[in-house]
Amino acid sequence: QVQLQESGPGLVKPSETLSLTCTVSSGSISSYYWNWIRQPPGEGLEWIGHIFYSGSTNSNPSLKSRVTISVDTSKNQFSLNLTSVTAADTAVYFCARGYSSGMMDVWGQGTTVTVSS
Amino acid sequence: IVLTQSPATLSLSPGERATLSCRASQSVGGYLAWYQQKPGQAPRLLIYDASNRATGIPARFSGSGSGTDFTLTISSLEPEDFAVYYCQQRSNWITFGQGTRLEIK
Repeated sequence: QVQLQESGPGLVKPSETLSLTCTVSSGSISSYYWNWIRQPPGEGLEWIGHIFYSGSTNSNPSLKSRVTISVDTSKNQFSLNLTSVTAADTAVYFCARGYSSGMMDVWGQGTTVTVSS
Repeated sequence: IVLTQSPATLSLSPGERATLSCRASQSVGGYLAWYQQKPGQAPRLLIYDASNRATGIPARFSGSGSGTDFTLTISSLEPEDFAVYYCQQRSNWITFGQGTRLEIK
C-alpha cells in the first residue's frame, strides 16, 4: 500500500525559503499527480500545487510566484519550495497523490511548519 | 471557482441522517470530491467524481449532484462520523470548500 511521508524543517525564518520533501514508498511515482496542500492552524485546506510525474506543474495563482514543485523519480520523491515566507505561511503541510479528476486518495500525515524568527 | 459549503456547522445525533451541501460558483461538471478530516489527521477521500465511493468507504456515505450543486449524505450517523467535511473541485486549479463541521447534538 502506497504511503507518503513529508520531511523538512519545522521552523523557518521570515523571508527565507520553506523546503519540504515527500517520499513515496511501496509504490511508483509514475502516472500520478503529486500534490501539496496546507492547512493554517484552525483553518481549512488550501491547495498549493501539483506536479505530474513527467514534470509538468500547476499551482494556486495566489502562491504561484513563490512556489516551485519538482520531482525526482529516481528517488520516488517530490519537493516543494516556497520562497519569501511570512507568518501567514505557518501551517500543516500535506503531500497527496492525485488523479486527473482532481481527487487525492493517499495523503501523508502532514508536517507542521512555523515561520518565526 | 469558489466552493461554498453549507451549513457551516451541523448538529445531529447518532442514527440521524446528515445532508451536507456544496455549491460551486460555476460548473465543475462531475469533478467533485468529498473528504473527511478528524482532528490531528490528514483528510480522507470519501467520494470522487461526485458520486463514487472511494475504496473502503462505508455504504452509508453517498454523493450526488453535477454542475454547480452537490450533496454528501450520511444515511445513519455513526459516532466516528463526527468530523469536518470538505468538498473539492479541480477546474483550472484545485480549490476546497471552507468545510462543514458535523458535531454531536
